[in-house]
Amino acid sequence: EDKVVQSPLSLVVHEGDTVTLNCSYEVTNFRSLLWYKQEKKAPTFLFMLTSSGIEKKSGRLSSILDKKELFSILNITATQTGDSAIYLCAVEANNAGNMLTFGGGTRLMVKP
Amino acid sequence: DGGITQSPKYLFRKEGQNVTLSCEQNLNHDAMYWYRQDPGQGLRLIYYSQIVNDFQKGDIAEGYSVSREKKESFPLTVTSAQKNPTAFYLCASSRFHSNQPQHFGDGTRLSIL
Repeated sequence: EDKVVQSPLSLVVHEGDTVTLNCSYEVTNFRSLLWYKQEKKAPTFLFMLTSSGIEKKSGRLSSILDKKELFSILNITATQTGDSAIYLCAVEANNAGNMLTFGGGTRLMVKP
Repeated sequence: DGGITQSPKYLFRKEGQNVTLSCEQNLNHDAMYWYRQDPGQGLRLIYYSQIVNDFQKGDIAEGYSVSREKKESFPLTVTSAQKNPTAFYLCASSRFHSNQPQHFGDGTRLSIL
C-alpha cells in the first residue's frame, strides 16, 4: 500500500523566518511527487517533482526530491502571513488511474 | 474562465437521506476524482473516472456512489449507508496520462443535521 508521511504536523513561526516542510513516501512504481497549498478551500498546485536533485523554485518557495532516500522538502524563505495554510504532499504512481496518495498535511501558521 | 465548479458549498443531510454533490469542469479533462478530507487530515480518494461511463472505487468508496454520463460532470451521491458523512468533499480533474497536475474545485462541506 502506498504511503505518504508529512512532518511536522503543525508549525508556528514569525514573519521573516525560514521553514522546511518534510515529506517521506513509500510507493510502488513512482511517477511524481506534488506539493499543494490549501488555504480555506481548493488546494492549489505548487510543484511537481519527477527527478532527483533538481530544485524547483517559485519566488520564496522551493522544493527538491530525493528518490534514493524517498523524501522531498518544501522550503519557504522570508515567510509572510499569507503563507499560512495547510501544505499537502502527494505522490503519483504509474497506475491506471493517475491516482494521488496524499499525506496528512502540515499546518503552517505565520505570525506577524 | 476554465475551471472546476462544485455545488453546493454547504450541504446538510438528515439521517437516512441520500444527498448528491455536483462537480462540473470545463477544462476538457478526461479524468475526474472525488476526495474526502476530515479535519486535520489529508485527502482520501473515494472514486475516480478516467473516461465517460466508467469509474473505479478508491480507498473509501463504501457508502458513496458516482456516475459519469458526460465528460464534464462527475456527481457524487452520499448514501444513507455512509454512517459518518460529515467532511469536506473535493472534486478534482486532470488530463489522463500526462505530466499535468490535478486541479481542484472549491469543495462542498457536508454536515449531519
